[in-house]
Amino acid sequence: AQKITQTQPGMFVQEKEAVTLDCTYDTSDQSYGLFWYKQPSSGEMIFLIYQGSYDEQNATEGRYSLNFQKARKSANLVISASQLGDSAMYFCAMREGKGSSNTGKLIFGQGTTLQVKP
Amino acid sequence: NAGVTQTPKFQVLKTGQSMTLQCAQDMNHNSMYWYRQDPGMGLRLIYYSASEGTTDKGEVPNGYNVSRLNKREFSLRLESAAPSQTSVYFCASSESSGNHNEQFFGPGTRLTVL
Repeated sequence: AQKITQTQPGMFVQEKEAVTLDCTYDTSDQSYGLFWYKQPSSGEMIFLIYQGSYDEQNATEGRYSLNFQKARKSANLVISASQLGDSAMYFCAMREGKGSSNTGKLIFGQGTTLQVKP
Repeated sequence: NAGVTQTPKFQVLKTGQSMTLQCAQDMNHNSMYWYRQDPGMGLRLIYYSASEGTTDKGEVPNGYNVSRLNKREFSLRLESAAPSQTSVYFCASSESSGNHNEQFFGPGTRLTVL
C-alpha cells in the first residue's frame, strides 16, 4: 500500500541555520511525484516543492531543496538559512500514476512541526 | 483570481444535522478533491473528481457525499453529522494532465459536531 512516513513530530532550528525534514515513502509504482507543503498556524496549505520520480536532478525552489534518494525511497526537505516565518507544520505527500491514469490524488504524511528560534 | 474558495469558514452542527460545504475554483482545473484534517494528522482524501461528471471515493468516504456541479464547483455533503466528523475540511484543485500535478488548496472549513 502507498504510504508516507514522517518520523519527526517536532523539530527546532536556530534562525539562519539549515534544517532537514525527513520523509520516506512506499509505493510499487515506477511513476510518482513527491510534494512538500507548508501549513502555518493560520491553517492554509502552501505548496513548496515538487520532485518527479524520473527527475534526475534534485528539485530546488529558492531556500527549499529536496534531497531525493530513490533507492532509499526518501525525499527529505532541506530549508537553508531558516527564518522565523518558516515556523509551521510541514507535510510530505505523494502522487501516483502517470498520464491518463493520473488523477492527482495525494497521500500525506502526518507532518513535522518546525519551530525556528531567534 | 481568487484560486480555491470555500464556504463556510466555520460551522457548528448538532449530531444528526446535515450540511453542505461549498468549494469553487477559478483556475479552469479539471480535478477537484475534498480532504479532512484531524488534529495532529495529515490530510486524508474523502472524495475526488478527476474531471467534470466523475466522482470517486478516497480513503475515508463514509458519511459523506459529493457533487461535481460543473467544472468550477465541487460540494461535500454530510447527511447526518456525527461527532467523529469534527475536523477541518480542505478543498483542492489541480490539472489532471502533466507530471507536475500541484494541488491548490482552499482556506479550509472548521467543522464542529456536538
